Amino acid sequence: GENVEQHPSTLSVQEGDSAVIKCTYSDSASNYFPWYKQELGKRPQLIIDIRSNVGEKKDQRIAVTLNKTAKHFSLHITETQPEDSAVYFCAASYLSGTYKYIFGTGTRLKVLA
Amino acid sequence: ETGVTQTPRHLVMGMTNKKSLKCEQHLGHNAMYWYKQSAKKPLELMFVYSLEERVENNSVPSRFSPECPNSSHLFLHLHTLQPEDSALYLCASSRDRGNQPQHFGDGTRLSIL
Repeated sequence: GENVEQHPSTLSVQEGDSAVIKCTYSDSASNYFPWYKQELGKRPQLIIDIRSNVGEKKDQRIAVTLNKTAKHFSLHITETQPEDSAVYFCAASYLSGTYKYIFGTGTRLKVLA
Repeated sequence: ETGVTQTPRHLVMGMTNKKSLKCEQHLGHNAMYWYKQSAKKPLELMFVYSLEERVENNSVPSRFSPECPNSSHLFLHLHTLQPEDSALYLCASSRDRGNQPQHFGDGTRLSIL
């Protein structure tokens, strides 16, 4: 069935360094790719998303890139800060008759001060 | 953000009990979702409602029974659960069913004894 693989499962970086999280999806029909951040004990919140007609999107220190041919998309966080520490989830979605919104397994990011 | 509210936040129940989880959204959204979040597993989409009509049931056992009386409220009725059903149950909503950001509640932490 459809799945989304996310790597790495844990990531530690020094404050100020960049962090990159990668996802691979299996269903070529997927055309919407959101990223969610979930802090400990809190709800997942959307931080950025990208649609399949765009290759890159940026919002301040956060960027997402999409390679449709390879079915990869990545989250890039620059100048990391301790408050970026959280679990990050990618997802791949499409709506064509049925509805699919499939999440990756999450990456626990720890930013060391 | 208090757009999506879930109650109770925590629930402990025996396998023979009947209980209900409640979700309420004040965002004017037309689609609502139930997810199950277990440790070290991806978020699993359980049910999708669009304009109060159930449009997806992702092979969820019948011991979970959703109800959507109107576009602002969503319930998950629980009956004869198993220990493996212990998890965080998250409700989410989006403007419409489709490739859009989802807004999550804080979840109900469910423990089955």
